Amino acid sequence: GIQVEQSPPDLILQEGANSTLRCNFSDSVNNLQWFHQNPWGQLINLFYIPSGTKQNGRLSATTVATERYSLLYISSSQTTDSGVYFCAVRDNYGQNFVFGPGTRLSVLP
Amino acid sequence: DVKVTQSSRYLVKRTGEKVFLECVQDMDHENMFWYRQDPGLGLRLIYFSYDVKMKEKGDIPEGYSVSREKKERFSLILESASTNQTSMYLCASTPSLGISNQPQHFGDGTRLSIL
Repeated sequence: GIQVEQSPPDLILQEGANSTLRCNFSDSVNNLQWFHQNPWGQLINLFYIPSGTKQNGRLSATTVATERYSLLYISSSQTTDSGVYFCAVRDNYGQNFVFGPGTRLSVLP
Repeated sequence: DVKVTQSSRYLVKRTGEKVFLECVQDMDHENMFWYRQDPGLGLRLIYFSYDVKMKEKGDIPEGYSVSREKKERFSLILESASTNQTSMYLCASTPSLGISNQPQHFGDGTRLSIL
């Protein structure tokens, strides 16, 4: 099945810094999402982005489907950005979503 | 907005009990999923359902069963709970693959402890 990798596994930032999180996947996808899991365990949809670029406030994401990767940009990070960021993909053949292992982000005041 | 509701945020049960986790979605989605999340292992798919009374095994179905009697409700059942089933359980839903490629929506999760 499709494999999903995320990097870096852990990231520590000072408040106000910018960061880039990466998601690589091993096959063509028709669905890619970025999620933020907050400290209470809730998974929040950030972007649905199988291709192209989207922006929402301080966050933006770009997926280059032909090269099988997606990037999540966080600018001017805040302590509330802390948590785990997951990307999840669905390939062209299945109903399932496959999750990456996540990037744990800690933003320090 | 799509709403996926899980019946409990926290649940404590004893070994050997039969445990039901309920999930309801309000957007007429065909597909519903149950995941468990454990530290260092990410989210792993237990079962999914693509229609009423239809179910498919995910990556880790052992020790679990599911029920989908109505389109909006997907239940996860631990037939005889064991301590290694202590985990965070997350339910999700999405429209059918055949309609359009839409985001997957998650409930808030149930943190289950088996004593």
